[in-house]
Amino acid sequence: DAKTTQPTSMDCAEGRAANLPCNHSTISGNEYVYWYRQIHSQGPQYIIHGLKNNETNEMASLIITEDRKSSTLILPHATLRDTAVYYCIVRPRISSGSARQLTFGSGTQLTVLP
Amino acid sequence: DTGVSQNPRHKITKRGQNVTFRCDPISEHNRLYWYRQTLGQGPEFLTYFQNEAQLEKSRLLSDRFSAERPKGSFSTLEIQRTEQGDSAMYLCASSNFRTSGIYEQYFGPGTRLTVT
Repeated sequence: DAKTTQPTSMDCAEGRAANLPCNHSTISGNEYVYWYRQIHSQGPQYIIHGLKNNETNEMASLIITEDRKSSTLILPHATLRDTAVYYCIVRPRISSGSARQLTFGSGTQLTVLP
Repeated sequence: DTGVSQNPRHKITKRGQNVTFRCDPISEHNRLYWYRQTLGQGPEFLTYFQNEAQLEKSRLLSDRFSAERPKGSFSTLEIQRTEQGDSAMYLCASSNFRTSGIYEQYFGPGTRLTVT
């Protein structure tokens, strides 16, 4: 799976948009970008994934550059409960026999400030 | 609640003792994963089940570790002769294979193990 690079930490004011970048310059054509987050003392939580088009769901938006070498997760109106470690993970489609476990890096610690 | 549950949530044990953790996945999920997470690091894959079959094990899973998933439902992870280096959060996740090849894993709250 392609390697990802994320900033170690970021701050964001409550109510403002949080923009979390991720570099994945070695991503291949069949690899998707997934985002998970982990709130302190909880298990990771799936947020969103995408291939090449921008995606939006009830939690966040995912913007993937045209060359697919980087992406940005956007939390449009950050709240204190969004304080967490955010992980960007690149992985291919799975086949029926493959495990395709998630390979987590160190992620970005997002702190939402009041 | 239909999420992934893990028991116990916390376990303190003395070095050399055996411990067993349990994971109950989301009921219709056929895939189950175990991960380990140490302080300040992301989770690391340990092992994977598809239904009752254990199909993959990480090199992190030493001979002291064993996992089972009888009948393809709940799973147990046992650590024998615990060492201080085994202190970590043990996370369980489950998912369903989809023909699209795209899926998300749902994680439990984890079991925090402290070996004294």
